[in-house]
Amino acid sequence: AIQLTQTPSSLSASVGDRVTITCRASQVISSALAWYQQKPGKAPNLLIYAASTVQSGVPSRFSGSGSGTDFTLTISSLQPDDFATYYCQQFNSYPLTFGGGTKVEIK
Amino acid sequence: EVQLVESGGGLVKPGGSLRLSCAASGFTFSSYSMNWVRQAPGKGLEWVSSIVGTSVYTYYADSVKGRFTISRDNAKNSLFLQMNSLRAEDTAVYYCARTISTIVVAPDYWGQGTLVTVSS
Repeated sequence: AIQLTQTPSSLSASVGDRVTITCRASQVISSALAWYQQKPGKAPNLLIYAASTVQSGVPSRFSGSGSGTDFTLTISSLQPDDFATYYCQQFNSYPLTFGGGTKVEIK
Repeated sequence: EVQLVESGGGLVKPGGSLRLSCAASGFTFSSYSMNWVRQAPGKGLEWVSSIVGTSVYTYYADSVKGRFTISRDNAKNSLFLQMNSLRAEDTAVYYCARTISTIVVAPDYWGQGTLVTVSS
């Protein structure tokens, strides 16, 4: 199974900060990666798929990049609504796998 | 509006069985692959199983293979997960989720989840 390693596992940031989360795959997955945001007690919300395609309705401050094994999710200017946990997920092959998550907290 | 509503969760003893259901609406159900994804309390997301629109292909995580069975009824716009030989480590919120497309096998819409607790 393809393993996804997210770094950092948590971070503290202030409103307005630029935030970058990294996801590294254990083997090449082309651009078959998605990013999700999850708030406590809620289902995940799809932000990005195919590494860099922003899902409809997602604010433009969210962007994704990368291919092969290294990917990043960037929030250009952190907003109060963005404090949450973020997960990457690969869909290059079954079994589908998720990264361990990155919790973004208020500094 | 796409809606996914799970049901069937609850408390079950180790070794027991449970059947989860997911009622779908707002889209052509038979045209989409569907998934079950779970999340243990305080833990991350874990993919459990997927099924294509025609039911011809099904996929399972190693952790549930041989114990769980995914199925669907396109006439009733419903997805199911039959869970047998349940273990304590199966305790989680189980989400039903729609796949974006056959090429982009990533869930785009998710239900609210149903809690399964396996405990004696």
